[in-house]
Amino acid sequence: QKEVEQDPGPLSVPEGAIVSLNCTYSNSAFQYFMWYRQYSRKGPELLMYTYSSGNKEDGRFTAQVDKSSKYISLFIRDSQPSDSATYLCAMSANTGNQFYFGTGTSLTVIP
Amino acid sequence: EPEVTQTPSHQVTQMGQEVILRCVPISNHLYFYWYRQILGQKVEFLVSFYNNEISEKSEIFDDQFSVERPDGSNFTLKIRSTKLEDSAMYFCASRAGQAGGYTFGSGTRLTVV
Repeated sequence: QKEVEQDPGPLSVPEGAIVSLNCTYSNSAFQYFMWYRQYSRKGPELLMYTYSSGNKEDGRFTAQVDKSSKYISLFIRDSQPSDSATYLCAMSANTGNQFYFGTGTSLTVIP
Repeated sequence: EPEVTQTPSHQVTQMGQEVILRCVPISNHLYFYWYRQILGQKVEFLVSFYNNEISEKSEIFDDQFSVERPDGSNFTLKIRSTKLEDSAMYFCASRAGQAGGYTFGSGTRLTVV
């Protein structure tokens, strides 16, 4: 099932860089979007939850949704070594329904 | 910060055996979920649970699977007769309302041999 596509990486950046993580999707009904961070052998940790199109900012993180292109992004400013993890996108048509996850992008921030 | 607690962290079982995975959701949360992640694959939805009944389940969640909230704090996933392909990381999640992100537990790694 290829509802949600996410480049698995790995992505390696120097400390302080701006990181861009992306997902594309095929189901135009998706309107609820989440970004999670997952450290090795841990559960996913919620970073951002957004509805419909537009931007949302929280600290060093910005989530963007472009429903017309079926494309979502997560930007991390001033990346830190502690940001090294796998980043998962997830989306749903209805907030009460199941969320569909991407495969995750592995990020390493090099000190 | 409140967290979702899962036990055990790792369980090894023989094929055909029954397993029960346990979860304690965040105390004021009303919506509960099980997801699983086979090694190297996507996180997949299994089931959602609200008001003591299943609200949605995936094709994976067949008759071998069941969920229960036996008391006011625990939420369990039972697999009646485990198969090799059930080997995965099983995540419990909860949230207060129908909107907003989930809080996931750290997962139970189930290995079926």
